[in-house]
Amino acid sequence: DVKVTQSSRYLVKRTGEKVFLECVQDMDHENMFWYRQDPGLGLRLIYFSYDVKMKEKGDIPEGYSVSREKKERFSLILESASTNQTSMYLCASSLTNTEAFFGQGTRLTVV
Amino acid sequence: GENVEQHPSTLSVQEGDSAVIKCTYSDSASNYFPWYKQELGKGPQLIIDIRSNVGEKKDQRIAVTLNKTAKHFSLHITETQPEDSAVYFCAAMEGSYDKVIFGPGTSLSVIP
Repeated sequence: DVKVTQSSRYLVKRTGEKVFLECVQDMDHENMFWYRQDPGLGLRLIYFSYDVKMKEKGDIPEGYSVSREKKERFSLILESASTNQTSMYLCASSLTNTEAFFGQGTRLTVV
Repeated sequence: GENVEQHPSTLSVQEGDSAVIKCTYSDSASNYFPWYKQELGKGPQLIIDIRSNVGEKKDQRIAVTLNKTAKHFSLHITETQPEDSAVYFCAAMEGSYDKVIFGPGTSLSVIP
């Protein structure tokens, strides 16, 4: 079975902190994605990567950056956390032109 | 870029009845349309998908239809059961880089 693992289920951070959300997949997928999920807004794409060291902006990249140094790992970075970044963050991975597999999600609260 | 709309936002049905969720997309180049189910506390999981060269696909109680001309696709669940209660997302894969854009979701409640 494909496994996408996010490092934390719940996270509480202070405003202004630098926050790292980690995601690891074990199926050698080329593509990896970071989404945030908010009630009534569905899943919105923050960043995605189609290869090591490659990254593309999604629909809401402001306030975020990403890193993909190894194929299996895709990190989401909040440079200076703000309260409007309180949300559920979902990581996913996929092979080319096929379904995406999601992790369990990280519920981040910024206080 | 691609935009996906989804209706209704909430849906309540009696156990055994059918449920239908409808989506529209904007980018005629989109060619892959997955449907995901998200249960409480879990990440979304694929339940069925359809590609642009197919008009309909069935998997037991679940079916998806695609009208490329109208840019509509729909999820049909027959003989609903309480375990079908969840949030359902439609999505469209946009052109290059396999970028998947999701609809806002439908919260389905199946009443026993």
